[in-house]
Amino acid sequence: NAGVTQTPKFQVLKTGQSMTLQCAQDMNHNSMYWYRQDPGMGLRLIYYSASEGTTDKGEVPNGYNVSRLNKREFSLRLESAAPSQTSVYFCASKAGVHEQYFGPGTRLTVT
Amino acid sequence: KQEVTQIPAALSVPEGENLVLNCSFTDSAIYNLQWFRQDPGKGLTSLLLIQSSQREQTSGRLNASLDKSSGRSTLYIAASQPGDSATYLCAVEYGNKLVFGAGTILRVKS
Repeated sequence: NAGVTQTPKFQVLKTGQSMTLQCAQDMNHNSMYWYRQDPGMGLRLIYYSASEGTTDKGEVPNGYNVSRLNKREFSLRLESAAPSQTSVYFCASKAGVHEQYFGPGTRLTVT
Repeated sequence: KQEVTQIPAALSVPEGENLVLNCSFTDSAIYNLQWFRQDPGKGLTSLLLIQSSQREQTSGRLNASLDKSSGRSTLYIAASQPGDSATYLCAVEYGNKLVFGAGTILRVKS
């Protein structure tokens, strides 16, 4: 039981490049989330998926797209990376009214 | 706007002290409140989850309380240890979304 896994762990992009961050969970959770964490600002919700086949915008969705590929996987795509997207990205999952479980994070730098 | 504030931003205490971390939220229509721990360069570890109908939860040396009417939660850590040094995050769930505070950085000195 690996919990929530994220790939890659680290990534450096040039401005304008695209990439997809991958997230998978093996806990059979319905809900999955993408957050970004910036110094002094806590975590902010980018997108979430309450169930397979549905996605909704969070607080900071601009510049990102998501895909809920199946119940296990929820990917985050940056179509044209900008320096303002330099951050640590966390994926999380949850079942019902229970606690959220977080992945180890992806550290992204955009130059 | 739903906002979560944590006070203090940083705290340094000698080993063995009991301490309290504070969390306040602007919208009292919460589903639940969750306390997390984050070690440097790592992900978040859930410590305690308090449902909106509950007043407190306990796990080992940790006790979290919730007062919805005043929009406050506290995390009490008893007999602190150097291994407790980390950032502690409070997060309030509204509907299907968590709103996070900026965290309290705790350092426990041996």
